[in-house]
Amino acid sequence: NAGVTQTPKFQVLKTGQSMTLQCAQDMNHNSMYWYRQDPGMGLRLIYYSASEGTTDKGEVPNGYNVSRLNKREFSLRLESAAPSQTSVYFCASRPRNQNTGELFFGEGSRLTVL
Amino acid sequence: AQSVTQPDIHITVSEGASLELRCNYSYGATPYLFWYVQSPGQGLQLLLKYFSGDTLVQGIKGFEAEFKRSQSSFNLRKPSVHWSDAAEYFCAVGISNFGNEKLTFGTGTRLTIIP
Repeated sequence: NAGVTQTPKFQVLKTGQSMTLQCAQDMNHNSMYWYRQDPGMGLRLIYYSASEGTTDKGEVPNGYNVSRLNKREFSLRLESAAPSQTSVYFCASRPRNQNTGELFFGEGSRLTVL
Repeated sequence: AQSVTQPDIHITVSEGASLELRCNYSYGATPYLFWYVQSPGQGLQLLLKYFSGDTLVQGIKGFEAEFKRSQSSFNLRKPSVHWSDAAEYFCAVGISNFGNEKLTFGTGTRLTIIP
């Protein structure tokens, strides 16, 4: 049972380069999320998708785009990476009808932008 | 909008000693409250949650938390810590209506255990 799988786990980019972080969950969850984690800032929501075909901005969406490809997959794209986007990125998912709020997290993707 | 404050950035506790991690929230209605733990290099794992009812909730790994509405607090406690409890702990608040689509996290408290 893989749960939430993120790829890649590590990535180094140069300023201006683009890349996509991939996330897939095998728990048949409806809602998916992308957070970034920075020292002293906790986790901040970038984008989320309440269901297949819908996406919404979170707290810090600037510089990112997302795609909810299907129910399983939710990708995060950096079109032109900046050093301020150096962070650890976490994908999470949740069953929509579960009114408990528990999120299931992936292991994270560590991104460094030089 | 809801917010969460964890006033302690770093706490050091001796193995076997008791632990209390503080969490204060701001939200106009009854909140959903959570504690998550993050071990080094790992994602976050749910320790416990509060929605309604008994204000003292039990979680995994021997942790408990108490919801105090009058103090807007949801502090995490453990009677006797183990070296394996060294991790970062996050308090989170969710909106208290159906959907509960987003959680707002605190900035975290890093727990160090000394022998």
